[in-house]
Amino acid sequence: DVKVTQSSRYLVKRTGEKVFLECVQDMDHENMFWYRQDPGLGLRLIYFSYDVKMKEKGDIPEGYSVSREKKERFSLILESASTNQTSMYLCASSTPGQGRYNEQFFGPGTRLTVL
Amino acid sequence: SQKIEQNSEALNIQEGKTATLTCNYTNYSPAYLQWYRQDPGRGPVFLLLIRENEKEKRKERLKVTFDTTLKQSLFHITASQPADSATYLCALDYTGTYKYIFGTGTRLKVLA
Repeated sequence: DVKVTQSSRYLVKRTGEKVFLECVQDMDHENMFWYRQDPGLGLRLIYFSYDVKMKEKGDIPEGYSVSREKKERFSLILESASTNQTSMYLCASSTPGQGRYNEQFFGPGTRLTVL
Repeated sequence: SQKIEQNSEALNIQEGKTATLTCNYTNYSPAYLQWYRQDPGRGPVFLLLIRENEKEKRKERLKVTFDTTLKQSLFHITASQPADSATYLCALDYTGTYKYIFGTGTRLKVLA
């Protein structure tokens, strides 16, 4: 069964801390994504990566960076956490292919609270 | 800029009836449209994909239509069950990329 795992389900951090959110997929997918989900705003794309060491900004990259050193792992970094980064963070992966083009497989999410 | 609208109000329907959810978009022409289901506290799960040259797609009790003239997709669940209660998201591709833009979702509640 395909799987996307995220390092934590719940995380509480202090303002100014550096925060790492890890995502691992076991499907050998080329594409990986980081979203945040907020009530009334839906899923918004922060960054995505289409290959190892490649990354592209999404719609709301400010305050975030990413790292993809291995194909299966995509990390989201909050360089200096702020209260407005309190949110649900969702990682996803996908691969272009016949029949189910770009279906995204999501992880369970990390609910981050910044105090 | 691209904009996707889903009815933000919850939809309550009686068990056994057909639920119809709407996804409207403006300002661009997606090649693919997807529908996802999301349960509380969980990540979205893919349900169906429809291409711009397809008018309708079915999978078991689910049916999706894609009207590129109206810039609208309809998502139907026939013979709905309480287990169908969830939030349903539509997503459209950024033309020529692997990225999708998501709607805010519509919460469906099927009453027993």
